Amino acid sequence: NAGVTQTPKFQVLKTGQSMTLQCAQDMNHEYMSWYRQDPGMGLRLIHYSVGAGITDQGEVPNGYNVSRSTTEDFPLRLLSAAPSQTSVYFCASSYSGSRVGEQYFGPGTRLTVT
Amino acid sequence: KNQVEQSPQSLIILEGKNCTLQCNYTVSPFSNLRWYKQDTGRGPVSLTIMTFSENTKSNGRYTATLDADTKQSSLHITASQLSDSASYICVVSVEYGNKLVFGAGTILRVKS
Repeated sequence: NAGVTQTPKFQVLKTGQSMTLQCAQDMNHEYMSWYRQDPGMGLRLIHYSVGAGITDQGEVPNGYNVSRSTTEDFPLRLLSAAPSQTSVYFCASSYSGSRVGEQYFGPGTRLTVT
Repeated sequence: KNQVEQSPQSLIILEGKNCTLQCNYTVSPFSNLRWYKQDTGRGPVSLTIMTFSENTKSNGRYTATLDADTKQSSLHITASQLSDSASYICVVSVEYGNKLVFGAGTILRVKS
C-alpha cells in the first residue's frame, strides 16, 4: 500500500492564481480530510468527506473547494490564492463511522503565495 | 469552546533521559484522545488512541495516560533516542460530527 499520497510536495503561486492540490489513498477509507498547519497553531480542518459524493466544511473553508467523485481521490482547489493561504497542507484518511477512526496523513504540500 | 492545550511548547533533553509531555482539553462530548508524532517535513503518525475507559496505553517506549475526570493526558517517553526529536501532537475526538480538535504540539529535541 502506498497509503496517502499528495502532490505536489512544494508549490509557489502568485496572488490570484488558482491550483489544485492532489490527494489519493489506496486503503479504501471512506473518510478523507484536508488540514492546514501554520507555525504555533494546531492543524485546522478545511474540508472533509465521509464518502464519495459527500463533502462538508471544516473550521477554515473560505477560499477552498473540494469534491469527492471517487473513494480514492480528494482534491483541494484554491480558487484565487492569497498570501494568507501560505501554509503546509495535509490530507488524511481513515475508516468512517460516527467517529473519526485512526487517521493516516500524507506527507504534506508546502504552499507559498507571493 | 473545544480546546486542546499542550505544555511545554518545547523541550530539550539529553539522550537516554525520560520526559513527560502534558495535554489538557476542554472538549465535549469526548470520544477519544490521540497522540501523534510529527517528524520535521512529514505528516503526523499515530502513536496511541485512548477511549474514555482507558487510563494507560503503551507503544514501545511511549506511554500515554488519560484522566477523563480532570481532562488531562500525558505522554511519557522512556530512554529517549535522537530519533524521538519531533513534534508531539495531542488530538481529541468529539463524539459526534466527525470532528477532531488539535493541540499546537510540543517540540521535543533530544541531544547527544
